[in-house]
Amino acid sequence: AQSVTQPDIHITVSEGASLELRCNYSYGATPYLFWYVQSPGQGLQLLLKYFSGDTLVQGIKGFEAEFKRSQSSFNLRKPSVHWSDAAEYFCAVGGSAGKSTFGDGTTLTVKP
Amino acid sequence: NAGVTQTPKFRILKIGQSMTLQCTQDMNHNYMYWYRQDPGMGLKLIYYSVGAGITDKGEVPNGYNVSRSTTEDFPLRLELAAPSQTSVYFCASSWVAGGTDTQYFGPGTRLTVL
Repeated sequence: AQSVTQPDIHITVSEGASLELRCNYSYGATPYLFWYVQSPGQGLQLLLKYFSGDTLVQGIKGFEAEFKRSQSSFNLRKPSVHWSDAAEYFCAVGGSAGKSTFGDGTTLTVKP
Repeated sequence: NAGVTQTPKFRILKIGQSMTLQCTQDMNHNYMYWYRQDPGMGLKLIYYSVGAGITDKGEVPNGYNVSRSTTEDFPLRLELAAPSQTSVYFCASSWVAGGTDTQYFGPGTRLTVL
């Protein structure tokens, strides 16, 4: 069965500092990997996705993620965090079998 | 282009009541999904549909029903509401199977069952 683990429930960073959110997945074949962001009171919005090819993926709002097959990881990074990045972030894994599985999310707080 | 819309935004139900959560998408997507999100948790798939007239169960279907008579609409029905159904409900849609494609989410319906 496919699964996603986001080890950090809550992360606090200072504005301007770098950010890394961790995501580990379990999937029996080549995974499709996604990062979504959820602002308070809103639905989820796609930040970036990885299907194949270059293992470093660029997304919207200056985010990037790196796929590491050997570590079953797909960590999200941003070099300099802005106050508007405060939100909840979800990693998801899926594949050709059809459905996505979401992690429990990481809440990001940005200190001024 | 409104994307995915959901109504209502908020609702309070009494135990045993029933209601329908509405979901409409205007992107002509084949696939549609219903998720629930409990506090501190990720999204759990309730039901999904691969096209008009075709629906299937997800991880947590008990207590819910769906139908898909058109490409645009995918309502979720709660029969005999229970406190365990207190949650935020999200509808989503995608061009192809959600495991391989971006899903587009509605703003959610916050449901409380008392």
